[in-house]
Amino acid sequence: NAGVTQTPKFQVLKTGQSMTLQCAQDMNHNSMYWYRQDPGMGLRLIYYSASEGTTDKGEVPNGYNVSRLNKREFSLRLESAAPSQTSVYFCASSGGVAPYNEQFFGPGTRLTVL
Amino acid sequence: GDSVTQMEGPVTLSEEAFLTINCTYTATGYPSLFWYVQYPGEGLQLLLKATKADDKGSNKGFEATYRKETTSFHLEKGSVQVSDSAVYFCALVTGGGNKLTFGTGTQLKVEL
Repeated sequence: NAGVTQTPKFQVLKTGQSMTLQCAQDMNHNSMYWYRQDPGMGLRLIYYSASEGTTDKGEVPNGYNVSRLNKREFSLRLESAAPSQTSVYFCASSGGVAPYNEQFFGPGTRLTVL
Repeated sequence: GDSVTQMEGPVTLSEEAFLTINCTYTATGYPSLFWYVQYPGEGLQLLLKATKADDKGSNKGFEATYRKETTSFHLEKGSVQVSDSAVYFCALVTGGGNKLTFGTGTQLKVEL
């Protein structure tokens, strides 16, 4: 049981390049999330998907797009990377019944945009 | 909107010292409260949770009590170990939803 997996673990991009961060979970969870973590700012929600086929914006969606490919997979795309998107990105999933909304996190992708 | 405020770190303690990390919140409605821990190079893991006033969450020697009157959820441990060195995040969710609101995190360093 792998839980939440993310690829790649590290990535360096040049300004203007595009890339897709992949996330998959094997816990049959309905909800999935993408966060970014920056020093002194905690985790901020980029996008989330409450269920297969739906996606919604979080706190900081600008510059990102997402795809909920199926129940297991939720990808995050940067169409034209900017230095401000240098961050650590975490994917998470949850399937619990409120209020027991534990989220399970992946190991993260460390992205540097030059 | 909802928000979580944590004490700033880093907090540096000697092994076997008592730990308190303060967390206060503002929320519309009646939140559930969580503490997550992030060990170096890893993702976040749920440490403990509480879903109603006066509940005490506990795990691995850590405890936190949901105090509605002071809107607080302070994390405590009686005797820390070097292996407790990590970043600790307080978080909440309201309205039965799934979106967590995180504090900025508090780094704990425990030295021998």
